[in-house]
Amino acid sequence: DADVTQTPRNRITKTGKRIMLECSQTKGHDRMYWYRQDPGLGLQLIYYSFDVKDINKGEISDGYSVSRQAQAKFSLSLESAIPNQTALYFCATSGRTAGTDTQYFGPGTRLTVL
Amino acid sequence: SQQGEEDPQALSIQEGENATMNCSYKTSINNLQWYRQNSGRGLVHLILIRSNEREKHSGRLRVTLDTSKKSSSLLITASRAADTASYFCATDAGGGSYIPTFGRGTSLIVHP
Repeated sequence: DADVTQTPRNRITKTGKRIMLECSQTKGHDRMYWYRQDPGLGLQLIYYSFDVKDINKGEISDGYSVSRQAQAKFSLSLESAIPNQTALYFCATSGRTAGTDTQYFGPGTRLTVL
Repeated sequence: SQQGEEDPQALSIQEGENATMNCSYKTSINNLQWYRQNSGRGLVHLILIRSNEREKHSGRLRVTLDTSKKSSSLLITASRAADTASYFCATDAGGGSYIPTFGRGTSLIVHP
């Protein structure tokens, strides 16, 4: 089984709808991240969490919120989806080893907002 | 804002040739990592090089780091069609946060 899973894998929704993307991991990592990927723009960090009680905004957090329900679960919500939030969304985890963070990515959720 | 920037944006080669892609960054780093992304899939970690290292190897991959020029290169030797993917560098700018910042990637196509 995959170490980092994301649900759903694909979602089409309409403007104004509330959407939740879920991420679960079995790697036992404390750190979890949500990224957005648009063509030609690489990965942009939305939110990150270093443990259950620690949640931080990334560079593009406006319009998004997160919930860290447990060490293994980190959800991303779009309260009122808009078309320019159409993108590929990735969850990632990492564990601190010798002062570095190697990230392990989920398979992604392709979100289309009409 | 993106710390690392890959160059070229796109690279097309024949199977068996070597592929070289570069990453430049702006501020001092603790380490630099390279990741691969097959089309529409999650990124996969390839190799990490620390700021006090100059070169690392992993199979057909060779990574160099020049901190004086704030640049790194990834060399894939004897490329295969299966190497077709996008390659990203990620820099950890230090300061204790260890949040990697990704570049925009190099799209590599290896023709059989």
